[in-house]
Amino acid sequence: GAVVSQHPSWVICKSGTSVKIECRSLDFQATTMFWYRQFPKQSLMLMATSNEGSKATYEQGVEKDKFLINHASLTLSTLTVTSAHPEDSSFYICSARTGAGRTEAFFGQGTRLTVV
Amino acid sequence: AQKVTQAQTEISVVEKEDVTLDCVYETRDTTYYLFWYKQPPSGELVFLIRRNSFDEQNEISGRYSWNFQKSTSSFNFTITASQVVDSAVYFCALSGRELIFGAGTRLAVHP
Repeated sequence: GAVVSQHPSWVICKSGTSVKIECRSLDFQATTMFWYRQFPKQSLMLMATSNEGSKATYEQGVEKDKFLINHASLTLSTLTVTSAHPEDSSFYICSARTGAGRTEAFFGQGTRLTVV
Repeated sequence: AQKVTQAQTEISVVEKEDVTLDCVYETRDTTYYLFWYKQPPSGELVFLIRRNSFDEQNEISGRYSWNFQKSTSSFNFTITASQVVDSAVYFCALSGRELIFGAGTRLAVHP
């Protein structure tokens, strides 16, 4: 089946620094990628939807200037957490869709971010 | 609007018991996918099953089985003869216009 690779799987950074998380579709072209965030003992909450070559669509309450999403190619989307703070510590996971509309999606392994 | 409801927040069973995790969804899409994922304490999401809206056949994979009923918008997951290693959070998810997750059910299997 299709594979989505997310990197890094975990990262620790200092407050005020920026962290970039990559999401790659390894064997298919992903026209749409989704970014989720999961707080401890909670569900995955959709942060934004990114379409290749266009600006990401952010969910209500998600700061687009803090969580920069770039979907520059059909196989790569990146999420950059800018000026990270301890409250940004969370589990971030990406998902990639193979085509437009209601096609199936595949998930990355997730990235555990800890801001100290 | 799309919605996934996992009404059971936590379930606790003793090893070898059967357990069913409920999932009810809402969508106006005619074409969609349903998923179940397992999230062990280590955090990664482990894919269990994907089912499209046109395939209502139930599926069995080892000790796992899934019951998809479009008439009741449910996609329930049963673990037969549960084991301690089944302890995890299980998420049901719906892929339509958006891709959304239920709140998850925390399953604890005790020896």
